[in-house]
Amino acid sequence: NAGVTQTPKFQVLKTGQSMTLQCAQDMNHNSMYWYRQDPGMGLRLIYYSASEGTTDKGEVPNGYNVSRLNKREFSLRLESAAPSQTSVYFCASSGLAGGVDTQYFGPGTRLTVL
Amino acid sequence: QKEVEQDPGPLSVPEGAIVSLNCTYSNSAFQYFMWYRQYSRKGPELLMYTYSSGNKEDGRFTAQVDKSSKYISLFIRDSQPSDSATYLCLSGGSYIPTFGRGTSLIVHP
Repeated sequence: NAGVTQTPKFQVLKTGQSMTLQCAQDMNHNSMYWYRQDPGMGLRLIYYSASEGTTDKGEVPNGYNVSRLNKREFSLRLESAAPSQTSVYFCASSGLAGGVDTQYFGPGTRLTVL
Repeated sequence: QKEVEQDPGPLSVPEGAIVSLNCTYSNSAFQYFMWYRQYSRKGPELLMYTYSSGNKEDGRFTAQVDKSSKYISLFIRDSQPSDSATYLCLSGGSYIPTFGRGTSLIVHP
């Protein structure tokens, strides 16, 4: 039981390049999330998916797109990377644990855009 | 202004101290409250949760919620260097859960 996995762990891009961050969970959760974490800013929600086939914008969606490929997988795409997108990206899934909707996080992807 | 406010710190305390971490929230619709702990270069992990006003205890940790003042607290007794981490509060309900910015705690020997 791997929980939430993310690939890659590290990535360096040049301005204007594109890339896709991959996320998968094996806990049969319906909801999945993408966050970015910057110093002093905490976790900010980029996009979320309440169930397979649905996606919605969070607090900071500009410059990103997402795909809920199936129940297990939720990818985040940067079409044209900008230095402002340098951050640590976390994927999470949530499900009931003891009656509480609990988020489980992946290990993160550290992205640097030059 | 974020719906959940949290002082980022850092908060530096000596080993053995009682630590108080706090958040305030503005949305009355929030129904449950959680504390996540995040070690350096790791993803956050759930530490404690509570639905109602009052205290909830788990070992050295106590979570406290005062819905009348919209105030959330986490107390750590007999703090240890291994408690050094960032602590994030989360408020949730019918809306998408909202995290505070996180408070960095440093417990020095």
